[in-house]
Amino acid sequence: GQQLNQSPQSMFIQEGEDVSMNCTSSSIFNTWLWYKQDPGEGPVLLIALYKAGELTSNGRLTAQFGITRKDSFLNISASIPSDVGIYFCAGPEAINTGKLIFGQGTTLQVKP
Amino acid sequence: NAGVTQTPKFQVLKTGQSMTLQCAQDMNHEYMSWYRQDPGMGLRLIHYSVGAGITDQGEVPNGYNVSRSTTEDFPLRLLSAAPSQTSVYFCASTFAQGQREQFFGPGTRLTVL
Repeated sequence: GQQLNQSPQSMFIQEGEDVSMNCTSSSIFNTWLWYKQDPGEGPVLLIALYKAGELTSNGRLTAQFGITRKDSFLNISASIPSDVGIYFCAGPEAINTGKLIFGQGTTLQVKP
Repeated sequence: NAGVTQTPKFQVLKTGQSMTLQCAQDMNHEYMSWYRQDPGMGLRLIHYSVGAGITDQGEVPNGYNVSRSTTEDFPLRLLSAAPSQTSVYFCASTFAQGQREQFFGPGTRLTVL
């Protein structure tokens, strides 16, 4: 079946640094979603990408839909302590289904 | 608008016990789903429903049952709990099959001893 591979698995950075993480797949996706999960909470959608090559920003977050449609990137600029959490990429298993496949997650820790 | 709500927040069961995890949404979403989250494995789909009266299996359905008698509610039943079902369970909903931006509940942390 389809799988999403996220890297890195974890990051420990200094406040103010920029962060970059990515998600790759062996098959094509027509949508890429990036979620953040705060400790003890459910995932919350950060950015949704629907078109190959699309670059979308949400505040200090920027995500890109790879032109091959097999990868996506999430960048966080000038990290702050509240950026701590687990970041997941996700994509629909098939067109017009609500079934999402999730990557394993990237755990981010920010040192003040 | 409460969004997606889940109860209980925490639960401890003994092996063999049964229980139901509750999930409700007040956004009139057609699509609802249950995921389990285990360390290093992301979220895996257990069961999903595309509307009242319609359910289907996800990636890891064994040991779980669901039903969807109303649009608002989508309970997950564990018939005979096993230690392998120790996990955090999330319910999610979205408007329709074509809408991929799912909204998640706060989760239920289940421990099976």
